[in-house]
Amino acid sequence: QKEVEQDPGPLSVPEGAIVSLNCTYSNSAFQYFMWYRQYSRKGPELLMYTYSSGNKEDGRFTAQVDKSSKYISLFIRDSQPSDSATYLCAMSGQTGANNLFFGTGTRLTVIP
Amino acid sequence: KAGVTQTPRYLIKTRGQQVTLSCSPISGHRSVSWYQQTPGQGLQFLFEYFSETQRNKGNFPGRFSGRQFSNSRSEMNVSTLELGDSALYLCASSPTTRDNYNSPLHFGNGTRLTVT
Repeated sequence: QKEVEQDPGPLSVPEGAIVSLNCTYSNSAFQYFMWYRQYSRKGPELLMYTYSSGNKEDGRFTAQVDKSSKYISLFIRDSQPSDSATYLCAMSGQTGANNLFFGTGTRLTVIP
Repeated sequence: KAGVTQTPRYLIKTRGQQVTLSCSPISGHRSVSWYQQTPGQGLQFLFEYFSETQRNKGNFPGRFSGRQFSNSRSEMNVSTLELGDSALYLCASSPTTRDNYNSPLHFGNGTRLTVT
């Protein structure tokens, strides 16, 4: 079993829809949680960075962490065609935080 | 501020050869990490360097090695290439300090290595 599980999709939504992306994990030592966006032929771009449980909002993006359920989510409001990309969740423990454990990514397409 | 720069963008090598990839971190970042991305395994951690010292290492064979220079630039070397080494190799830098590991990673656009 992988330490981080993510539904690979693909996921297609109409423009303006609310998108929900999710990851589950098995290692209770994970404390730092990130979401990255990766466009084709590009490197991952950091979207959200959170510590422990709770919510964090940045513009149209909201990240949620539920450590009791070992479950994290990313919500995208008013989705735009430019949001079409692969979304990767990542997480790490207290030490070695540069050693990130990634989900396999969810490919999202927003249809105009 | 310039982002993480990786060179070259594309490489084609033959089995058995060796290859060196280069990474220039964001100015002021002293930590450089390397990741391998493949369709089957996703992103996997190779190693991290901080102030010219390897601080953390993933579960890859010894054919994969790296180093960091005094200006924080880093190189990654893969010897005796195998077909399975074909992947996107990503470098990431972070502003982490010696005692504080926990800063987000900023990735470059990677080097696409194809082994034939």
